[in-house]
Amino acid sequence: AQSVTQLDSHVSVSEGTPVLLRCNYSSSYSPSLFWYVQHPNKGLQLLLKYTSAATLVKGINGFEAEFKKSETSFHLTKPSAHMSDAAEYFCVVSDTGSQGNLIFGKGTKLSVKP
Amino acid sequence: GAVVSQHPSRVICKSGTSVKIECRSLDFQATTMFWYRQFPKKSLMLMATSNEGSKATYEQGVEKDKFLINHASLTLSTLTVTSAHPEDSSFYICSATTGERRYSNQPQHFGDGTRLSIL
Repeated sequence: AQSVTQLDSHVSVSEGTPVLLRCNYSSSYSPSLFWYVQHPNKGLQLLLKYTSAATLVKGINGFEAEFKKSETSFHLTKPSAHMSDAAEYFCVVSDTGSQGNLIFGKGTKLSVKP
Repeated sequence: GAVVSQHPSRVICKSGTSVKIECRSLDFQATTMFWYRQFPKKSLMLMATSNEGSKATYEQGVEKDKFLINHASLTLSTLTVTSAHPEDSSFYICSATTGERRYSNQPQHFGDGTRLSIL
C-alpha cells in the first residue's frame, strides 16, 4: 500500500531564505509523486510531479524536488522564499502511471516572515 | 486550460437542510470526477469517485445516502449533503480528469472548494 509522510506540520522561514519541505513515501510499486499547494480557502494547484523520468523535477514558481529512491524521499525546495509562497503544501503519492488514485500527506504549512 | 469551477464557494445553512455543491469542468470533458473532504488542519480524504452516466463509487465509511453524487454530464457533477448536521461542516473539494477510470494516468484538476458550515 502507498503512503506518504510529511515530516513537518509547520515550517517558518524568512523572506529570501531557502525553503525545504520534507516528504517520505512508501510504495510497493515505482511511484508517481506530486507536490500540490493550497492557499487559504482554495483548491489545490499542482507544483510539480515525478513520473519515473528525471529524478530532479522542476516545477512552477521556482520550486523543485528531488526523487531519492534509496532514501524514499521527495523533498520540496526553493532557493529563496517569497511572501506569496505562504500556503499549505501537500506531498502526494500514486500508483505507477496512475494519477487517479492519489494518497495525500497531512500537509505542511509554510509561513514566510518579512 | 483545464479549469474546474466549484459553486458555491461558501454556504451557511441550518441543520436539517440539504445542500447541493456543483463541480464543472469549463474547457474539457471530465469523464471522471472526484469528491474530497478536508477537515481543519487535515489532509484531503477521498469520499467518492464518479463517472459520467454511472453510479458513484464511495470510499469505505462514506454514507452514500448522506452524500448523494450525480454525474449527469461530462462537464457537471453534483454533491448533495442531505439533512446536513453540524458534523458535516467541512471544506469539500472536487477534481476532474479526462481519464476514464480511477486509475487513469490523466492528471486531476481541482476546483477551489466549498466551505460548508451547518448551524
